[in-house]
Amino acid sequence: AQKVTQAQTEISVVEKEDVTLDCVYETRDTTYYLFWYKQPPSGELVFLIRRNSFDEQNEISGRYSWNFQKSTSSFNFTITASQVVDSAVYFCALSQGNQGGKLIFGQGTELSVKP
Amino acid sequence: DSGVTQTPKHLITATGQRVTLRCSPRSGDLSVYWYQQSLDQGLQFLIQYYNGEERAKGNILERFSAQQFPDLHSELNLSSLELGDSALYFCASSVDAGQAGELFFGEGSRLTVL
Repeated sequence: AQKVTQAQTEISVVEKEDVTLDCVYETRDTTYYLFWYKQPPSGELVFLIRRNSFDEQNEISGRYSWNFQKSTSSFNFTITASQVVDSAVYFCALSQGNQGGKLIFGQGTELSVKP
Repeated sequence: DSGVTQTPKHLITATGQRVTLRCSPRSGDLSVYWYQQSLDQGLQFLIQYYNGEERAKGNILERFSAQQFPDLHSELNLSSLELGDSALYFCASSVDAGQAGELFFGEGSRLTVL
């Protein structure tokens, strides 16, 4: 069975601190996709990144970076120099290769960045 | 703005009633997905339609049904509502059947069942 675990329910940091959100997944598929979504207080889900199971290269986008390690089944998300606007719930998700739109979400990590 | 439009944004109704949630996908997207976000179940996939046909099914209750119309908009019908159906219902769309993987979510329809 597929499963996504985000062990950190809530994280609170002070602005400008770096913060890493953990994501561990379980799947028996060899082809799968991993995602991160952001849900700000307004409620919508904002796509951040998608990686396929064959691409373990780390990715950096501005202050955001992602570390994908198949050996530990983890896909962690780091925000560098956090800002108040980063306050949101962040979801990690997994999908099978042939059902790319059927996402299995983790429980989410609520990040609070204080000024 | 993701380009996915959901109506209504908020809906309050009573137990036993029936409601319809509407979704217009992004222009050009052929797939529509419905997700439910509740406090106890988290974010759960309900169902996917691709170009009018049901493509994948998740944990959707028998009291719930959906369809995708020729103009590609979709409706999620929830009937015999129970208190536990109170949730945020998201619609998402993608250009293909899901292989590309990037889903664009609407702002959600918040349903409150009293």
